[in-house]
Amino acid sequence: NAGVTQTPKFRILKIGQSMTLQCAQDMNHNYMYWYRQDPGMGLKLIYYSVGAGITDKGEVPNGYNVSRSTTEDFPLRLELAAPSQTSVYFCASTQGGTGFSDTQYFGPGTRLTVL
Amino acid sequence: DQQVKQNSPSLSVQEGRISILNCDYTNSMFDYFLWYKKYPAEGPTFLISISSIKDKNEDGRFTVFLNKSAKHLSLHIVPSQPGDSAVYFCAASVAGNNRKLIWGLGTSLAVNP
Repeated sequence: NAGVTQTPKFRILKIGQSMTLQCAQDMNHNYMYWYRQDPGMGLKLIYYSVGAGITDKGEVPNGYNVSRSTTEDFPLRLELAAPSQTSVYFCASTQGGTGFSDTQYFGPGTRLTVL
Repeated sequence: DQQVKQNSPSLSVQEGRISILNCDYTNSMFDYFLWYKKYPAEGPTFLISISSIKDKNEDGRFTVFLNKSAKHLSLHIVPSQPGDSAVYFCAASVAGNNRKLIWGLGTSLAVNP
């Protein structure tokens, strides 16, 4: 049981480039989330999904897109990378549904630098 | 508008002593509270949680206390160990809000040998 996995661990992008951050979970969780964490700050929600085919914006969605075609995978797409997107990105998941707690389980993160 | 506040950015304690990390919140609709621990270059890991119907939850060396009237919760670590040195995040959620968590900014705990 690998839990939540993220690739790549590190990436340097040039301004204007695009990339996809991969996230997968093997816990059959319905809910998945993308966060970013800037230095000295808490986690800010970018996008989330409550199931395959259903996604919604979080607090800071601008400059990002997501898709959820399967329960397991929740990729985050950065279009036209900007220096303001330099951050550490975390993917998380939780079961959701009645009777389950809100505890989210996190991946190890992707450290992205945009130069 | 910070709904979950951790007003101490850092805390330093001696090994073996008690560590107390504090968290205040403003939204009275929060009904579930969690503490996460984060080491550098790793994702946050769940530590302990408490439902709003309780005022205390204990798990080994970790105890969380909830004071709803004061909108305050605290995490006690007894005894503190050097391996507890990490950033601790407080988070809260509202029932039915797609399990979204609202996060504090974190408190960096240093446990000195």
